[in-house]
Amino acid sequence: GENVEQHPSTLSVQEGDSAVIKCTYSDSASNYFPWYKQELGKRPQLIIDIRSNVGEKKDQRIAVTLNKTAKHFSLHITETQPEDSAVYFCAASGGRGLSPGNQFYFGTGTSLTVIP
Amino acid sequence: GAGVSQSPSNKVTEKGKDVELRCDPISGHTALYWYRQSLGQGLEFLIYFQGNSAPDKSGLPSDRFSAERTGGSVSTLTIQRTQQEDSAVYLCASSFSGGLVSYEQYFGPGTRLTVT
Repeated sequence: GENVEQHPSTLSVQEGDSAVIKCTYSDSASNYFPWYKQELGKRPQLIIDIRSNVGEKKDQRIAVTLNKTAKHFSLHITETQPEDSAVYFCAASGGRGLSPGNQFYFGTGTSLTVIP
Repeated sequence: GAGVSQSPSNKVTEKGKDVELRCDPISGHTALYWYRQSLGQGLEFLIYFQGNSAPDKSGLPSDRFSAERTGGSVSTLTIQRTQQEDSAVYLCASSFSGGLVSYEQYFGPGTRLTVT
């Protein structure tokens, strides 16, 4: 089955600096890679996702890059702000077409702290 | 539109009692997932429903856990003879799903279960 590893588990950056979180996956059939942000006491919410037919996607200060050959994808947050402080989860899914369908495999999470 | 809803939001129960947790997915979403999240931990997959297919139960931790989804919509997660280690937040998510293609998961607010 799929195995998603996420690093680092904790990350502290100064406000205004960049933050990078990396994930690797094992199953080359995976073709959908979402990133979720979970603030303390709240539900996970999608912040960006990428499909395997593209190598990079950007949305304002957030970008995701995908290297299918190496089976890894990364979240990049630029000009970090205190409100970016949260736990971030990566996931891999798709491509298997097996019953009952596509499962999501989550990384273990990265706790990001942005220091004002 | 309405998002994923879960009830109750909080449940305190005595060890050995049975509990039922409810999830109302977004209308039209064919895929429904249950996860468990202990304090400060990641998302532990429990069970996944996709349309009329047999559910993927591979994440259920013991036979005390079961879930059903009636009419392809509302789902109930049942925990029998609760133990203290069952204390956690139980998250439900739903998404569209189409064969080999995965789509964004929308999470509910969770049910915080405390077993005393």
